[in-house]
Amino acid sequence: NAGVTQTPKFRVLKTGQSMTLLCAQDMNHEYMYWYRQDPGMGLRLIHYSVGEGTTAKGEVPDGYNVSRLKKQNFLLGLESAAPSQTSVYFCATRQGRAFFGQGTRLTVV
Amino acid sequence: GEDVEQSLFLSVREGDSSVINCTYTDSSSTYLYWYKQEPGAGLQLLTYIFSNMDMKQDQRLTVLLNKKDKHLSLRIADTQTGDSAIYFCAESKGDKIIFGKGTRLHILP
Repeated sequence: NAGVTQTPKFRVLKTGQSMTLLCAQDMNHEYMYWYRQDPGMGLRLIHYSVGEGTTAKGEVPDGYNVSRLKKQNFLLGLESAAPSQTSVYFCATRQGRAFFGQGTRLTVV
Repeated sequence: GEDVEQSLFLSVREGDSSVINCTYTDSSSTYLYWYKQEPGAGLQLLTYIFSNMDMKQDQRLTVLLNKKDKHLSLRIADTQTGDSAIYFCAESKGDKIIFGKGTRLHILP
């Protein structure tokens, strides 16, 4: 029982490159979230999903896209990475309380 | 204003009690949470409280909820060096979970 697994754990991108972050859960939770964490800013919600096939915008959605084609997976895409997207990204699932993955540290140079 | 507000820093002597305060905005929040984050790690759920409760105790942790003032506090009794971390308050807001910016707890010898 892995809980919430994020891949990759680290990545360095060049400005303009694209990538996809994967969040996988084995708890059968309906709700899934993507947050970014920046120093002094806490966690800010990027996008979230309340079930398979659904997505919704959070506080800071610009520059990101998401997909929830399967209930257990929530993908976060960066189409054209910018240095401002350098951050630690956390995925979470929720059933009552939220369960977090270990994070993906992304650097855009 | 901010949805969830908390002070950014707290210094406490080892053995004393730590009290971390938080204010939130959504009176319909069902759950209120406290998460702990150690350096380089993900978020660990410490405790949570349902909105119909006003207190919850779990070993060294005591959560107090004042719904009228939308105020939540976390008390850590007998603070130890291992309690040094960032503590996040969070509220459930509809389908979302909104986090404060975190309180960095520093333990003095």
